[in-house]
Formats: sequence, C-alpha cells, structure tokens
Amino acid sequence: KQEVTQIPAALSVPEGENLVLNCSFTDSAIYNLQWFRQDPGKGLTSLLLIQSSQREQTSGRLNASLDKSSGRSTLYIAASQPGDSATYLCAAPISSGSARQLTFGSGTQLTVLP
Amino acid sequence: GAGVSQTPSNKVTEKGKYVELRCDPISGHTALYWYRQSLGQGPEFLIYFQGTGAADDSGLPNDRFFAVRPEGSVSTLKIQRTERGDSAVYLCASSYDGRSTDTQYFGPGTRLTVL
Repeated sequence: KQEVTQIPAALSVPEGENLVLNCSFTDSAIYNLQWFRQDPGKGLTSLLLIQSSQREQTSGRLNASLDKSSGRSTLYIAASQPGDSATYLCAAPISSGSARQLTFGSGTQLTVLP
Repeated sequence: GAGVSQTPSNKVTEKGKYVELRCDPISGHTALYWYRQSLGQGPEFLIYFQGTGAADDSGLPNDRFFAVRPEGSVSTLKIQRTERGDSAVYLCASSYDGRSTDTQYFGPGTRLTVL
C-alpha cells in the first residue's frame, strides 16, 4: 500500500524567500508524481507532473524533483510571493491494481508574509 | 466546458437522507474519478470510471455509496442514509484517457454537511 507523507505540515516565510516542500512515499514503483495547489475552499490545481523516467520538472518559479530510489520528491519555490500562499499536496498513483487512483499526502500549508 | 464542474457547491442535509452529487468532466476526457477530502487531510480515492463503466470502486467505504456514469460523460455520486461521518468535500477529477501517466484535473468540489 502506497503511503505519502509531507513535511512540514505548515510553513510560514517572508516574501522573497526561496523554499522547499518535501514529499516522501513508501512504494518506489510509481508511474509518476504530481504536485497540486489547493486554495481555501477550492479544488486542486495541478502544478507539475513528473514521470517516473524524469528527475525534475520546471514551471516558472516552481521546480519539482523526483528521486525514486530514496522515495522522495521536493517542490522548490523561488522568490516566494504572498500569492503563493496555499496548501501544496503531492500525490502518486498506486503501483498495484488500478494505477489510476492517486494517493495523496496531507499537504503543507504555506503562508508567505508580505 | 473549460474545466471540471461540480454541483451543488454546497449541500446540507439531515442524517438519514439521500443525496446526489454531480460532476461534469472536461469535454473529451474518458476517465473520471471521485475523491473525498476531510478537513486537514489529502483527498482519498473513492471510484474511477473509464467510459461508462466503473473500472475501480475499491475506495467506496460501504454500500451506501454508489456512482454512475451512464453516457460516459456526466457522473453522479449517490449516498444513501447519510451519516454525520459522511461530511466532507467530495472532489471529482477527469483525465484524457485514464492512462497511469495522465494528469488528473480536479473540479472545485461539493462540500457536504450532514447534520
């Protein structure tokens, strides 16, 4: 059974700081790993998807890395802005049965202070 | 439509009542997923449709929960004899063809409150 853990649960940083969010997973036989953003009372917005054959993906100020051997992924946010404040979730498909269902971590709640 | 839509956005019901939650996926997406999210937790998988058929319903918690997708587009999640523990945000997602490498796109969710 895939288990996904995110540390820290909450993070508060001043504007302009670079930061790293961590995600770990127990089953390294994943097809991909996806990072999402969730604003309060809203659904999930897909940020980056890293395929199992890739080591990292970049989109603007976001960079996500994947290390399957250690069961870890990180989301790096450069030059953080107050608008980045949200909960960030990572998710991986399970590796047995239907590989479509995503297993999510509990998220990291990020607050960027102006 | 431009994205996944869900109705209603909020639903308040009394314990023991029946509710239906609707999901309209992105046009052309053949795969549809339902998840449930409790406060402070990540979403938990409920059921996955490929076309009209439920390809994986292993996440449904018990037989009070049922979902359909009769024409391979809109899906309805049905909950019978609701309990207070069913209160959560119910999220729907769709992907292009359900490959394991697909990105899943999520709707805004339906917040269900059972009194």
